[in-house]
Order: sequence, then structure tokens, then C-alpha cells
Amino acid sequence: ETGVTQSPTHLIKTRGQQVTLRCSSQSGHNTVSWYQQALGQGPQFIFQYYREEENGRGNFPPRFSGLQFPNYSSELNVNALELDDSALYLCASSTRDANYGYTFGSGTRLTVV
Amino acid sequence: GDSVTQMEGPVTLSEEAFLTINCTYTATGYPSLFWYVQYPGEGLQLLLKATKADDKGSNKGFEATYRKETTSFHLEKGSVQVSDSAVYFCASAPGGYQKVTFGTGTKLQVIP
Repeated sequence: ETGVTQSPTHLIKTRGQQVTLRCSSQSGHNTVSWYQQALGQGPQFIFQYYREEENGRGNFPPRFSGLQFPNYSSELNVNALELDDSALYLCASSTRDANYGYTFGSGTRLTVV
Repeated sequence: GDSVTQMEGPVTLSEEAFLTINCTYTATGYPSLFWYVQYPGEGLQLLLKATKADDKGSNKGFEATYRKETTSFHLEKGSVQVSDSAVYFCASAPGGYQKVTFGTGTKLQVIP
């Protein structure tokens, strides 16, 4: 079975720009969650998608938005980038009840300059 | 809200030493508990999990027991190897698995 694939692996953007990150979920998984991991910190929950709808959101402003597609893949969009948005963005997929835990991708390293 | 506290690192051990990384949690109800490992430049890999009190998760020689009375989920390994060098994250997830709450991570360095 394929795991979680994220693209791109690295990205450099300028403050104020917009960015889209992509995630393909593991085969058999229908739920996708996004996390932000600042350097030296644990991942912080951004939001989760199930059946193409947002199903829970962490403490992130509305300029962080997402989509889930019928094939369960997902996008994370961040508008009006700020320097503090520089981080590793992790996507995790699971079944709805996550009985087998979450499968994480390798992440996208976003640098905002 | 839910939170996870784990011992600060870095932890430096000699090969074949015994490892303990402490983790405690606060949560409403009875969450599932996890240990994830992150190797340099990579994402998170699930190391082990436990879903109810007194459950013991184990994998690759690592073990952790869900202790409800002490709200703890300490990670242990009897004999560490250089290849175990990584950052270890303790995490909890409430029923419904809406989100996972992570600790700040503990960096382990094993020297030959």
C-alpha cells in the first residue's frame, strides 16, 4: 500500500504571498489532517477534513484554509504569508475512527522570507 | 484543553544503555496515547500506541504502558542502538480522533 505523499518537499515564498501545499492520503484512508511543526517544536493541529468538509480546527487564523477532494487527497492553502509561517507542514491520513493511528507524510518545508 | 508534557532533551546515551523518556498527559476522558519518532529530515512515524488503561504498546524493542492513575505513558527500551537516534514525540488523541496533541519532543542521541 502507498503511504502519504506530500508536495512540494521544499518551498520558499515571500511575505504576503499565497501558497498551496498538497497531500495524497494513504490507500484506504478517508480522513486527512494538517499540522504545522515549527523548528524544535511538536506538531500543532491546523484542521481535519472528512468527506470533503472541515471536521475540526485548531487555533489558526482563517487565512489557513483547506480542501479535500473526492479521492481523499487534500490541499492546504495559506494566504498573506507571514515570517512566522515558516515551518514544516505535515499531512496525516487515517480511517475515520483512526483505529490504526495516523500515517504521516514527510512534510513540506516552507520558508517565508 | 488537552496537553502532553514530556521530558526535555537532548538525551545522550551510550549504545546498549537503558532508555526512559517520561510523558504525562492531561485530557478529558480517556484518550488514546501514542509515541511517534521523527528521523532527521523526515515526517513522523508511529512507533507504538495504547488505547485504554493498562494497555502496553510495543514495537522494535520499545514499550510504553498506559497508566491512568498517574496519567503517564513513559517510553522505555532495554538496550538502545545508534540507529535509535531521533526525536521522539508523545501524543494523545481523544475519542473520535479529531486531533492529536503532541508534546514538544525529546531528542535522543546514542553514541557508540
